[in-house]
Amino acid sequence: TQLLEQSPQFLSIQEGENLTVYCNSSSVFSSLQWYRQEPGEGPVLLVTVVTGGEVKKLKRLTFQFGDARKDSSLHITAAQPGDTGLYLCAGVAGYALNFGKGTSLLVTP
Amino acid sequence: DSGVTQTPKHLITATGQRVTLRCSPRSGDLSVYWYQQSLDQGLQFLIQYYNGEERAKGNILERFSAQQFPDLHSELNLSSLELGDSALYFCASRNTGSYGYTFGSGTRLTVV
Repeated sequence: TQLLEQSPQFLSIQEGENLTVYCNSSSVFSSLQWYRQEPGEGPVLLVTVVTGGEVKKLKRLTFQFGDARKDSSLHITAAQPGDTGLYLCAGVAGYALNFGKGTSLLVTP
Repeated sequence: DSGVTQTPKHLITATGQRVTLRCSPRSGDLSVYWYQQSLDQGLQFLIQYYNGEERAKGNILERFSAQQFPDLHSELNLSSLELGDSALYFCASRNTGSYGYTFGSGTRLTVV
């Protein structure tokens, strides 16, 4: 059973388009994290959201934590080929981070 | 370079064999986590060590074991290997009081 469900699973868009990926759960999390993973590498932390309703911006990336702290979204404005990768959301359950299966994003020129 | 070092980067071995994967955490990080990543299951938590002691277990098979040494490096031992054990194995470390995990580049294990 996956604690965190991510959608869509795959996304292929052209450079300059906007997109949103979602991370949903039936569980409440004290915080949620977003990671980006490139082929052959480990995930790299992008952001941690802690407070319900919190919005964080990282250049063209906007992260939102749901009011009930059960869901989160990542919005990318004017996507670039360098944004290509696997986007993973993760929440602490017990002592360790549990990850969603990720959204694989491909941005073509 | 994330600061977390994993060796080897690639490993090819036969079914029934035993292998050891090694991880050196980021300097100052006491917590080490092991994850297995496969295409169908995603990133699955295996086990956590904190300052030499086992802290939590996830979906770790009985054929797998791990330990963390006094210098804080960790080893993941995989025995009686099966084809289905082929996957990427990641180690991550975390600083107490920090939310984020720092991952190594992983070990790609192929069992043939």
